[in-house]
Amino acid sequence: QKEVEQNSGPLSVPEGAIASLNCTYSDRGSQSFFWYRQYSGKSPELIMFIYSNGDKEDGRFTAQLNKASQYVSLLIRDSQPSDSATYLCAFGGSGRGNNRKLIWGLGTSLAVNP
Amino acid sequence: DAGVTQSPTHLIKTRGQQVTLRCSPKSGHDTVSWYQQALGQGPQFIFQYYEEEERQRGNFPDRFSGHQFPNYSSELNVNALLLGDSALYLCASSLARTGSGYTFGSGTRLTVV
Repeated sequence: QKEVEQNSGPLSVPEGAIASLNCTYSDRGSQSFFWYRQYSGKSPELIMFIYSNGDKEDGRFTAQLNKASQYVSLLIRDSQPSDSATYLCAFGGSGRGNNRKLIWGLGTSLAVNP
Repeated sequence: DAGVTQSPTHLIKTRGQQVTLRCSPKSGHDTVSWYQQALGQGPQFIFQYYEEEERQRGNFPDRFSGHQFPNYSSELNVNALLLGDSALYLCASSLARTGSGYTFGSGTRLTVV
């Protein structure tokens, strides 16, 4: 079983719609979860991090974490063409203190159509 | 407020050669992690440096080595380059006591021919 699983997509949504991205992970000991956005040829950019079960909202983005189901998702409301990118989920793997290495999914490609 | 700076941005090397990549962390950060990202893949953890010591290491051979300097900057060295080492090498910095996420540099694109 892979440590992190994401649907590679591509996920295609019309402009203004809600895009829903999902990620499952295998390490029940994980405490920190991250969503990064990566444009082609560029480095990943942190969108959100979440530590507690439930929802965390930041502008048009909402991260949802369910530790019992080992599931984390990212909702993008009012999707814009500029949101078109690859979205990577990552979680803090083994390590000491807060400096846990990140374990990454392969990413989901999102296309927002005007 | 300077972000994470990596150099060079692009590099072409021949099989068997050695390469050194450099990273300056974001101001205020004390930890540097290195990742390798092959085309179409998620980043793979190489190693992490904190207090000038390698603290964690991923599943990479000893050909990959690193160093952290007193000013928190870091180097990644790869010896005996293979074609399969061609990838985007990402440096990420963080602050050990917060764990609130990593800031990435723009990466070094290494091509081995």
